[in-house]
Amino acid sequence: AQTVTQSQPEMSVQEAETVTLSCTYDTSESNYYLFWYKQPPSRQMILVIRQEAYKQQNATENRFSVNFQKAAKSFSLKISDSQLGDTAMYFCAFMTYTNAGKSTFGDGTTLTVKP
Amino acid sequence: KAGVTQTPRYLIKTRGQQVTLSCSPISGHRSVSWYQQTPGQGLQFLFEYFSETQRNKGNFPGRFSGRQFSNSRSEMNVSTLELGDSALYLCASSLAGRQGAELFFGSGTQLSVL
Repeated sequence: AQTVTQSQPEMSVQEAETVTLSCTYDTSESNYYLFWYKQPPSRQMILVIRQEAYKQQNATENRFSVNFQKAAKSFSLKISDSQLGDTAMYFCAFMTYTNAGKSTFGDGTTLTVKP
Repeated sequence: KAGVTQTPRYLIKTRGQQVTLSCSPISGHRSVSWYQQTPGQGLQFLFEYFSETQRNKGNFPGRFSGRQFSNSRSEMNVSTLELGDSALYLCASSLAGRQGAELFFGSGTQLSVL
């Protein structure tokens, strides 16, 4: 069974600073996706960034980037130039190619961006 | 393109009753999955439907069931409600293939069981 662990229940960062959220996972599968989702106070969950395991290059989306270490089964999210609108709960998630449609989520990290 | 639509947004029920939640996916998405979100248990996978067939099922009792219609709309039913069923129920749709594995979520249905 796959598991996803987010070891930081809560984090805070000053506006315009950089913050890194940690995620580790455990799987015996070779082909899978990793995702970071954001859930603001409105509860609307949206995708932040995704990474396919076969790609060595780390994914980036504007101010969001990941550090994907496949051997270590680590998938951290870096948010640069943090903005007040980044305040949300962030979930790391995992999905295998063979089980598309079923995602396993970590417990989430609540991020607060302070002015 | 319209997003994922979940109805109703809020529900209050009493123990022993049953409830049906509805989800309309993004047009063209054939996969619909359901998740239960609670403060103590996080996001737990309930089940996933693809082309009217249940493909995956999580570890929930048989009181939790679902179905998908030919237009990909999905419903989730919980019978004999218990206090512990109080949660935010999230529906998500996806293309469920290499071209689009990410989930697109609805706003959720907040179920309170009294």
